[in-house]
Amino acid sequence: GAGVSQSPSNKVTEKGKDVELRCDPISGHTALYWYRQSLGQGLEFLIYFQGNSAPDKSGLPSDRFSAERTGGSVSTLTIQRTQQEDSAVYLCASSLRGVGTNEKLFFGSGTQLSVL
Amino acid sequence: GDSVTQMEGPVTLSEEAFLTINCTYTATGYPSLFWYVQYPGEGLQLLLKATKADDKGSNKGFEATYRKETTSFHLEKGSVQVSDSAVYFCALSVNTGNQFYFGTGTSLTVIP
Repeated sequence: GAGVSQSPSNKVTEKGKDVELRCDPISGHTALYWYRQSLGQGLEFLIYFQGNSAPDKSGLPSDRFSAERTGGSVSTLTIQRTQQEDSAVYLCASSLRGVGTNEKLFFGSGTQLSVL
Repeated sequence: GDSVTQMEGPVTLSEEAFLTINCTYTATGYPSLFWYVQYPGEGLQLLLKATKADDKGSNKGFEATYRKETTSFHLEKGSVQVSDSAVYFCALSVNTGNQFYFGTGTSLTVIP
């Protein structure tokens, strides 16, 4: 596609339910990032995928959060047993290569997650 | 650790006013510095960048100079327009890491 696509754009769920958020990066981009943006907060790093390397999961806030990237393309962020504090905008970004190349990130429009 | 601190908003200016949004950083290595902008209803997009000390990034009339001595990367524009209304994020990356570090964002509203 022309840009980074995220779905759904909005998700309302009940506390305790599992949710899956999807990211389609720009074709050919080897690096993919997930960030979380909470109200009044900066962008919080969650996870980084680079090619076939093991992902950097150091930003995942708890073991309820997991992510995978299949075939080096589409990525899914899964939140199990959602809590109200998980409510935020989840942003996905991709770049042709990775950090250290000074390339710009291309961001999706985000998924607004609301946990009731 | 690596981090970015930017000026809190919101900022409201009249059209043609001068804009400064302050950004300072802490980095363990040699960072590259960025300003990203998020227009209403759109995703974040790169506005400008600078990859080494004393470099000046510029785009759309905005400028920022990488100042190593003051660890700063302040965003400036001489004459803002209504269309500049957006949220601005300062960010850094270091080539030894796996992430970009973002500030909390500064909301700018320009009124006619």
